[in-house]
Amino acid sequence: DAGVIQSPRHEVTEMGQEVTLRCKPISGHDYLFWYRQTMMRGLELLIYFNNNVPIDDSGMPEDRFSAKMPNASFSTLKIQPSEPRDSAVYFCASSQRPPLVSGELFFGEGSRLTVL
Amino acid sequence: KQEVTQIPAALSVPEGENLVLNCSFTDSAIYNLQWFRQDPGKGLTSLLLIQSSQREQTSGRLNASLDKSSGRSTLYIAASQPGDSATYLCAPLGGGTSYGKLTFGQGTILTVHP
Repeated sequence: DAGVIQSPRHEVTEMGQEVTLRCKPISGHDYLFWYRQTMMRGLELLIYFNNNVPIDDSGMPEDRFSAKMPNASFSTLKIQPSEPRDSAVYFCASSQRPPLVSGELFFGEGSRLTVL
Repeated sequence: KQEVTQIPAALSVPEGENLVLNCSFTDSAIYNLQWFRQDPGKGLTSLLLIQSSQREQTSGRLNASLDKSSGRSTLYIAASQPGDSATYLCAPLGGGTSYGKLTFGQGTILTVHP
């Protein structure tokens, strides 16, 4: 299996621009998670999906952030408009089982976003 | 809200040493705890998962213990090797207000030099 695939790996954009990050989970994994990693705050859960349905989006920082999962093999995280403080590494992870049932997480390699 | 602290923040040791990485968490109402490894510029790889009912878990040279009541976990690395150099993160899976969520510590940056 190719693992969790994220794109782009690196994105540099200017403040105010729209940013779209993409994720392809491992086939057969029903749970998909978006995390953000910064030096100041470490790894934070933004949102997670079960069977393409958003379950918990309480970690989404602002209305500028939105996430969708139109099908089992694809998810997007969109920031519009982007701001310099959004600069971070965004990780997507997937799991075969629910978090409370020993759901081992498999992470992608991340998308490093820099907003100038 | 769950808070996770990892000590030390960084550790540099010569090859062959046995290491102890510490993790403490404030909310003991957890379901399990995972230890992850992160290499520079890469994602996280799960190393060990300990259920709340377990005291320890072993995989090769790694051994993780869990004392849920005191809010502590320890990752023990035996006979360290340069290839062990990475950031190690612990993440308890919470109940209560952190229901179903992994909360990550800031990590311990480990460097093992030949």
